[in-house]
Amino acid sequence: RKEVEQDPGPFNVPEGATVAFNCTYSNSASQSFFWYRQDCRKEPKLLMSVYSSGNEDGRFTAQLNRASQYISLLIRDSKLSDSATYLCVVSLRTGNQFYFGTGTSLTVIP
Amino acid sequence: SQTIHQWPATLVQPVGSPLSLECTVEGTSNPNLYWYRQAAGRGLQLLFYSVGIGQISSEVPQNLSASRPQDRQFILSSKKLLLSDSGFYLCAWSASSYNEQFFGPGTRLTVL
Repeated sequence: RKEVEQDPGPFNVPEGATVAFNCTYSNSASQSFFWYRQDCRKEPKLLMSVYSSGNEDGRFTAQLNRASQYISLLIRDSKLSDSATYLCVVSLRTGNQFYFGTGTSLTVIP
Repeated sequence: SQTIHQWPATLVQPVGSPLSLECTVEGTSNPNLYWYRQAAGRGLQLLFYSVGIGQISSEVPQNLSASRPQDRQFILSSKKLLLSDSGFYLCAWSASSYNEQFFGPGTRLTVL
């Protein structure tokens, strides 16, 4: 079983739409959670960390559900510039293990 | 602020040739350093990580090796490249094991 699983998509949404991605993780000992964004042929860039109480950064909201072992990312009022692949990342407290999902592709259509 | 550099940006090498990719970090001390590979259309695969000078942990046995000769320098090497070594190689740093990681711009390697 993969440590982190994401729906690969693609998600094709019109500008202004709200879109949500979910990501599930298998190890209940996971301690840190992140969302990264990766543009085509570029390096992943940190979008936001995910805190236990949930957190918001502008149009982006991240939630953590430890009981069900999933994290989510909500993007409101989608912009063309939001088109990218979104990677879910989970880290264990022990060792240097960062587990990356394979990513969810988002295309925002004019 | 911290910055991370990788070079070269792109590389085309014949099968059987050696490889050396370099990564340096500025603006931080004693970072954790990581090498990842991303094959076309695939997720990131952790290859090596280092928590200090001379300390290397390998995650995947293969014909690659890594070294950390200085605190903020991380090198990925191979004596003989295989076709399957083609991919996008990314270096990353973090302040600790569970802090967020920050990636360099990557090296796109094609082995022919």
